[in-house]
Order: sequence, then C-alpha cells, then structure tokens
Amino acid sequence: DAGITQSPRYKITETGRQVTLMCHQTWSHSYMFWYRQDLGHGLRLIYYSAAADITDKGEVPDGYVVSRSKTENFPLTLESATRSQTSVYFCASSDGRVLAGGLWNEQFFGPGTRLTVL
Amino acid sequence: DAKTTQPTSMDCAEGRAANLPCNHSTISGNEYVYWYRQIHSQGPQYIIHGLKNNETNEMASLIITEDRKSSTLILPHATLRDTAVYYCIVRLDTGTASKLTFGTGTRLQVTL
Repeated sequence: DAGITQSPRYKITETGRQVTLMCHQTWSHSYMFWYRQDLGHGLRLIYYSAAADITDKGEVPDGYVVSRSKTENFPLTLESATRSQTSVYFCASSDGRVLAGGLWNEQFFGPGTRLTVL
Repeated sequence: DAKTTQPTSMDCAEGRAANLPCNHSTISGNEYVYWYRQIHSQGPQYIIHGLKNNETNEMASLIITEDRKSSTLILPHATLRDTAVYYCIVRLDTGTASKLTFGTGTRLQVTL
C-alpha cells in the first residue's frame, strides 16, 4: 500500500541541466498535481492533470513540462534548470469524487523532493 | 477563489483545545472552506472541509459563522504531534478541476 511516492527525494543539479521528478500513485486517482514550496510562500501549483493525457497549467508553469501517459504516473521535467527553481516539490493526487454537488477535494500529498540547482 | 487571512503563528498548551481562526470575508455562496496542515518536512495533509454547517471528524471540528465570513478549526485536545502549519483554503468546486490555492498559513506550536 505505497500510496503516493516521489523520486528522488533529494536532487542536486547544475544550471542548464534537464531534471525529471517522478510521481507515482497506486490509488488510480484521476487527478494529479505538482506544487512547489519556497520559504515565505505557501504551496504554489505548477501543473495539474485531470486524467491520462489531460494536463493544464497552474499558477507557476514557466520552465516546467509535464506528461501523463499513464494514470498512475505524473513526471515533472525542468528542461533547463535555473537557480530560481531550487525548491521543495510536492506531488498530490485526488480521486475527484462528487459529493453533494461539489468535488470531494481531498488531495493526498507525497513526501516531497528537495531540489537544489547550483 | 476567495482570499483568506490567518494569524501567522499561535501557541497552545498540550491537552488544551487549539482554536485556529480564518477570515474569508469575500467568500461566495458556493465556495467551500478547507483545512490542511503540514508537519515539518512532510507533504500537506487534509483535515476537514465544509460549506455552511459545522463539521466534525476524528481529527478536528470546523465552525463556520452564519454569514460564512470566517471559520475556526478546533483541535479539541492538542498534542505535540499537532505542531504544524495549518492552511485555511476557500475555493469553488466547479467539477472541472480540484485545484487548491495555499496561503502562508498559521504556524501552531504545541508546548508542554
């Protein structure tokens, strides 16, 4: 019962390199999300996906690329890493059940990936 | 989505009730109030949510004022493990996406 996992947990890279952060969930949740968290800010949404092959931008998508070929995986790629992308990245998933006219919005978060770009 | 205002930090003695306030004066009639918390270095964890009525679950109670402009999260018997940042989030569930907008939250410190 792994739930939602992220890999790697820690990553150090250099400016200009491509980095991919992995997220895997075992619940077959339809929705998946990527957030970043920086000191002084709450979590900010980067991208989200409502289902396989359906993705959309969040609040801070610039510099990131996502894909979702399988329901259980939602990788986040930094195509050319910059120092400003040094952050803690959280992946989350949600089953999006409808409850009393609204979405059941419980999101389950992974443990996070701490990324440092030198 | 409506903006929320929370105190930056609060202290609570272990075993006492922790009451965390949240103002959301611009909330609209069909926007929900959600609470999440984030224990140090972990991902956020869902606590509770509500629309109009007060809600209670095994973790906490949520009290929403009649005009819905503010709410209070109550942890009835706080423990040291409840030390965390608590986020109050107000959003509209449109059925097309379940996005959350996190603010900076309230840092709750539970002490002996």
